[in-house]
Amino acid sequence: EAQVTQNPRYLITVTGKKLTVTCSQNMNHEYMSWYRQDPGLGLRQIYYSMNVEVTDKGDVPEGYKVSRKEKRNFPLILESPSPNQTSLYFCASSLEAAGANVLTFGAGSRLTVL
Amino acid sequence: AQSVTQPDIHITVSEGASLELRCNYSYGATPYLFWYVQSPGQGLQLLLKYFSGDTLVQGIKGFEAEFKRSQSSFNLRKPSVHWSDAAEYFCAVYSWGKLQFGAGTQVVVTP
Repeated sequence: EAQVTQNPRYLITVTGKKLTVTCSQNMNHEYMSWYRQDPGLGLRQIYYSMNVEVTDKGDVPEGYKVSRKEKRNFPLILESPSPNQTSLYFCASSLEAAGANVLTFGAGSRLTVL
Repeated sequence: AQSVTQPDIHITVSEGASLELRCNYSYGATPYLFWYVQSPGQGLQLLLKYFSGDTLVQGIKGFEAEFKRSQSSFNLRKPSVHWSDAAEYFCAVYSWGKLQFGAGTQVVVTP
């Protein structure tokens, strides 16, 4: 089944403890992206990747890192999480390196930072 | 600045009634337009998209949307709502390499 898989789906952590949210897609998509969803703000883009080894900042990149060492994986790294990073995170991918293509979303990862 | 506005944060509609969700955008050129739906605890699913051509677009689950260039709008409609349509709906706009989402409209369906 074609899908975007995120892990973990739920995580509670403490301030400053590094964590990684993994994202993997099995559709050979070029483009991948991370969003965070907060009430009243919709989805805001954190980082995106046009292709392997190519990443760029979205609207809210502060406090996050990403890497794209292989096409299928696009992990989101929080080096030192803070409470304001408590949010619902979505990974998404699309066939080509342009948002005009339809995005396929993962099921989301709910992160709580205490 | 580029923006996507969904004026209605929350809409309550009776089952069987019609539904219209508003979306307005502010972009320099005609962008590509999308509507996504998010059911509780789920990721986002594409309902429909508009790139060019016929301004009335048909999507899945009986939804349609109309692009009106003069009003910079892309409103979503459904003639008769089902209880399973209760969800959050997001309008999204792609332009110049960037996909931007509106804040979302929560739809509640009452019996």
